[in-house]
Amino acid sequence: EAGVAQSPRYKIIEKRQSVAFWCNPISGHATLYWYQQILGQGPKLLIQFQNNGVVDDSQLPKDRFSAERLKGVDSTLKIQPAKLEDSAVYLCASSALLGTDTQYFGPGTRLTVL
Amino acid sequence: DAKTTQPTSMDCAEGRAANLPCNHSTISGNEYVYWYRQIHSQGPQYIIHGLKNNETNEMASLIITEDRKSSTLILPHATLRDTAVYYCIVRVYFGNEKLTFGTGTRLTIIP
Repeated sequence: EAGVAQSPRYKIIEKRQSVAFWCNPISGHATLYWYQQILGQGPKLLIQFQNNGVVDDSQLPKDRFSAERLKGVDSTLKIQPAKLEDSAVYLCASSALLGTDTQYFGPGTRLTVL
Repeated sequence: DAKTTQPTSMDCAEGRAANLPCNHSTISGNEYVYWYRQIHSQGPQYIIHGLKNNETNEMASLIITEDRKSSTLILPHATLRDTAVYYCIVRVYFGNEKLTFGTGTRLTIIP
């Protein structure tokens, strides 16, 4: 069974530029999560989708971050414009069911903002 | 507020059992204890979870004290590939409570 796929694996941009990350969850998984992991810290949930609807985006900085999951399968996370403090690893995870089920994580995208 | 407390780092000799402690003194009756680990440059990986009974799977064993205020993750025969950051998380099993990661324990397996 294929795991959670993410691209790109690495991205370097300058502040005020825009960037987008892509995630393809495990086939059949209804729930998709985006996490931000700053160096030395644990992952922090940014947004959670159930199919193509948002369940929780309370920790998403909505002035610069946006995410969509249009057909309930793959998802994109965008930052516009990027700030230095956005440098982090962005992790995507999926689970079969909402809430209770095990989350499976992708390898992440390492973003460096200069 | 952190729901769990873990040591920052631990070492374990290869082939020995690695015992990772976690304190969760404010755990509620409907909260489970979950363990995930994160190997360098990879996403977190689920290990095991439990409510009050000891649990074992192909990766590890989870021992929860009778008062449920602490638990221990046991890797029975640690290998170099077990070097990772281990996260202990408490969350409600039913419902939509998110996984809240702390800083975890950095376990280093020494050859």
